[in-house]
Parts: sequence; C-alpha cells; structure tokens
Amino acid sequence: EVQLVESGGGLVQPGRSLRLSCAASGFTFDDYAMHWVRQAPGKGLEWVSGISWNSGSIGYADSVKGRFTISRDNAKNSLYLQMNSLRAEDTALYYCAKGDSSAIDAPIDYWGQGTLVTVSS
Amino acid sequence: QSVLTQPPSVSAAPGQKVTISCSGSSSNIGNNYVSWYQQLPGTAPKLLIYDNNKRPSGIPDRFSGSKSGTSATLGITGLQTGDEADYYCGTWDSSLSSWVFGGGTKLTVL
Repeated sequence: EVQLVESGGGLVQPGRSLRLSCAASGFTFDDYAMHWVRQAPGKGLEWVSGISWNSGSIGYADSVKGRFTISRDNAKNSLYLQMNSLRAEDTALYYCAKGDSSAIDAPIDYWGQGTLVTVSS
Repeated sequence: QSVLTQPPSVSAAPGQKVTISCSGSSSNIGNNYVSWYQQLPGTAPKLLIYDNNKRPSGIPDRFSGSKSGTSATLGITGLQTGDEADYYCGTWDSSLSSWVFGGGTKLTVL
C-alpha cells in the first residue's frame, strides 16, 4: 500500500524559512517522480513543484520559483521542500504526491494527507 | 485564475447523471493527458481518471472520462450522496513546464 506521510509544517513568520519532508513507503521510491501540491484554506489545488526519479528534471510554479527548492533522497525514500522567504500567501495545506512514472509530466496518482503551513506574524 | 476552467458547481438528484467540463488550451489539454481527482470533504484528493479515460483499479465504472480537442469531461452516472465532493481536472502544461489544475467543481447530490 502506497503511503506518503508529510511533516515539518507549522506557524512561521513572514520572511522566515521552513523545510517540509515526506516519507514514502509501499512502492519503489526511486522509480517515480514526486510532487508538492498545496491547497490554501477553502481554495483549489495548486501545483508547487515536481522532481523526476533521478532529480534530473525539476519544475516549479512561478509563484514559488527562486524561493522554494525541491529535493529527494532515494536512499531514504524521502522528498523535501525547502521554503525560504515565506509570505502570507504561502499559507496552505501542503500535499506530497506521487507520479505514476519517472517523469514529472506523468499523472499524479497518490496523495498524502498533507501538512499545514501557516505564515503569519 | 486557473489555467484550466471548470464550472464552480453542478448538482443532480440521486440516481441521475452529471457531467463536469474542463476547458484548456493546446499547450495543456490539447496535447497532454488529462486526470481527474475527487476530494471528499476534509480528505486528500484521490485519482479517479487518468490518461483521459482510464480508471485506476477500485474506481467504479460509474465514473468516466473523455477528451475532445482542448476540453475534457468527467461523467458520473447513478449518483449517490457519497459522491458529494470537489472534483478537479489536471494535466501537464508544455508551455509552462508545470502541472496545472482546474479551479474545482463542487458536486451536490440533491
């Protein structure tokens, strides 16, 4: 059974940093692309970033480009999102999500339960 | 403003059929596969349809997907109260080099 467990969320002041983690299990982690997708309170889904199986292909939404960095450690079956220069508009539930193949343009097929990030002074 | 356009809400009676549209452009729907996701209240999204019209194992055949040109449609037949949820379309956008989602459609089963 695929399991994606996010951690690292919390309350942070504007301009500060936070690092999210996602622990994956139930599948061969290094065979698949991974993503971060966020959902602001009461709003729709917004893709944040994706990374291919070997980190050779990485993409970011324009809204986070230059501030967020996605990475993965295949030896630890883990996905990360380093978030710097946080803004109030980054407040959202952040989902870790799995692609159904190695490339970041493949469909997203599994989602974690999310970790909440609140940016406020 | 989402790259993909969905109606904010649809409704129908139990047992009836409903369709949800998703409109895009040649850089996304027109040249890439479409997925559909169901988000029940307070839960994470769940994949319903991938590659325009394929259902993952465990998804009942009451759910169907289709694509024509730069638009896609999700169909749900035999509506049940448990189908009340938000539904999102999503696809890769080749120009943006990013995944894009529709704004979501809230389904109410009256």
